[in-house]
Amino acid sequence: LAKTTQPISMDSYEGQEVNITCSHNNIATNDYITWYQQFPSQGPRFIIQGYKTKVTNEVASLFIPADRKSSTLSLPRVSLSDTAVYYCLVGGGDTGRRALTFGSGTRLQVQP
Amino acid sequence: DTGVSQNPRHKITKRGQNVTFRCDPISEHNRLYWYRQTLGQGPEFLTYFQNEAQLEKSRLLSDRFSAERPKGSFSTLEIQRTEQGDSAMYLCASSTTGNTEAFFGQGTRLTVV
Repeated sequence: LAKTTQPISMDSYEGQEVNITCSHNNIATNDYITWYQQFPSQGPRFIIQGYKTKVTNEVASLFIPADRKSSTLSLPRVSLSDTAVYYCLVGGGDTGRRALTFGSGTRLQVQP
Repeated sequence: DTGVSQNPRHKITKRGQNVTFRCDPISEHNRLYWYRQTLGQGPEFLTYFQNEAQLEKSRLLSDRFSAERPKGSFSTLEIQRTEQGDSAMYLCASSTTGNTEAFFGQGTRLTVV
């Protein structure tokens, strides 16, 4: 399984852009990169998924360099409600188990 | 509500008792996952099903844990002879095959006293 490494925690202020980087040096050719968000006492929620270059949706952007050994989740203009734990997952879409192995995540604290 | 449903939401049991949790996935999802999560940790993979077939179990899953998905729809997770270390949030998720976007339920919080 491709192991991921993320910062344990990050702090930001409302209105700022937040970038969370995940390292996955042994990513396999058919692996996708997926990010989840989790609030206390709730199950994780899918944010975004990508394979290479850049993906953007209404919530976030995902930047993946050419070597795919890392990825960066970008949250534009965060608010207090973005305070949560963010997980980076790496795995193949054809093998669901590998795609859903969680690490310890990054705890984002947004201050007013 | 057509999301993933888990019951019960909370369960308090005495050490040594058996408990069973239920998960109802999104109806068209053929993959179903079980996770366990303790405070401050990420969800820990336990097992997953493709339809009614249990395709993988974590080696961390002891013999006291068993999961079923008899008709490829809902699933149950049973813990026999519960121990205090089993206290955790048990999460269920479902997805379609080949899709890394999984939908999680609210979880069942187990407290073993």
